[in-house]
Parts: sequence; structure tokens; C-alpha cells
Amino acid sequence: EAQVTQNPRYLITVTGKKLTVTCSQNMNHEYMSWYRQDPGLGLRQIYYSMNVEVTDKGDVPEGYKVSRKEKRNFPLILESPSPNQTSLYFCASSFSPWLAGYNEQFFGPGTRLTVL
Amino acid sequence: GENVEQHPSTLSVQEGDSAVIKCTYSDSASNYFPWYKQELGKRPQLIIDIRSNVGEKKDQRIAVTLNKTAKHFSLHITETQPEDSAVYFCAASSVLGDSSYKLIFGSGTRLLVRP
Repeated sequence: EAQVTQNPRYLITVTGKKLTVTCSQNMNHEYMSWYRQDPGLGLRQIYYSMNVEVTDKGDVPEGYKVSRKEKRNFPLILESPSPNQTSLYFCASSFSPWLAGYNEQFFGPGTRLTVL
Repeated sequence: GENVEQHPSTLSVQEGDSAVIKCTYSDSASNYFPWYKQELGKRPQLIIDIRSNVGEKKDQRIAVTLNKTAKHFSLHITETQPEDSAVYFCAASSVLGDSSYKLIFGSGTRLLVRP
């Protein structure tokens, strides 16, 4: 089954304790992205990756890191989480937008993170 | 950079009525405008999209219109049903050079269809 998976789905942690949220897709997509969803703010892009070893900042990258060592995986790293990073996080993937200028993004199930 | 504004933030309609959600964007280079539906507790899913070389697109009860001159696009849902109740997000994207592609989302519209 074609899908985007994220783990964990729920996480409660404390300020300053490093954490990683994993994202994996099995559709051979070049493009992957992380978003955070907060009430009244919609979906805001954190980081994106055009392909392996190619990453770039989105609109709210502060406090986050990413890596893209393999095509299928795009982990989100919070080196020192803070309460303002409490949010619902979505990973998404698509075929390269360069091929057609537009491509449907498929979202993972979301990770609800609470930082105390 | 691109900015997408979406209105209204909440919309309540009677079953069978139509619903219209409007979005404006700021970057004239934007060329792709998808709409996503997010049911409660679920992930966003694409329901319809439109490209900048098209003015209108329909898919059964939903349609999207695009006015490039005014930089706004709208989602129209006819004959609404309770299962249409969800949060709807518009988005705009542009392909820039060879190193940038962003999908900017609106803040969302919570649609409630009353039986």
C-alpha cells in the first residue's frame, strides 16, 4: 500500500530533551516536507527536501533540523524542544514538482507533540 | 514571499445548500492552487486542484475557480452533505528556478453542514 508513515504518533516530552520524529514513504517520491499545524494558523512549512542530500528551510525552521540521507526517509529533529514547539506535525511527500510544476502532496497521519 | 489569506474561518450551512470558500494570494508567480480537506483527527487530503492556465475546474459537486488578475481563487461545494463537514485548506505554490518549491497554505475554513 502506497503511504507516508510517521512515528511516533503521539509524544509527550520535557523541555530540552532531544527527540526525532521519523517519516518514511514508499512511493519513490523525490520531494518531502514537514509542516506544523496550529489552531488558526493552518499548515506552516518547516523544512523541505527536493531530493537526497538536498534540504531547504521553509517558513518556520527555527528550532528544527532535518536530514535526507535516503530517498524514502526524512526525519525531523528537535535538538532542544521548547513548549512553543507543542504542535501537530505532518510529513508529506510528492513526485518532483520540477517534472510538472505541480504534484499532489500525500500526508502522513500526523504526530502530536507536547513539550512540557 | 507568498502569503495566502483564506475566508471565512468558519462556515455553517444547511444540508443541500452551497458553500463557498475564498482565498487570495500575493505572489504573481504562483501557478498551482490545490485544496485539501481535513476531517477531524485525520490527515489533509487533496480534493481538487487548479493550475494557472485554467480558469475553472469541476469534479462532481466541487469546483474551483481562479482569477489570476485579481489573485484569488475559490472553492465551491454544491448540494452539501453532512460528510462535507471538515476543515478545508487552500494553498498556493510556485516553482522557482531550480532550488525552491514551497506550498503555502491558508489558515483553514471549518465547514459545518447542518442536517
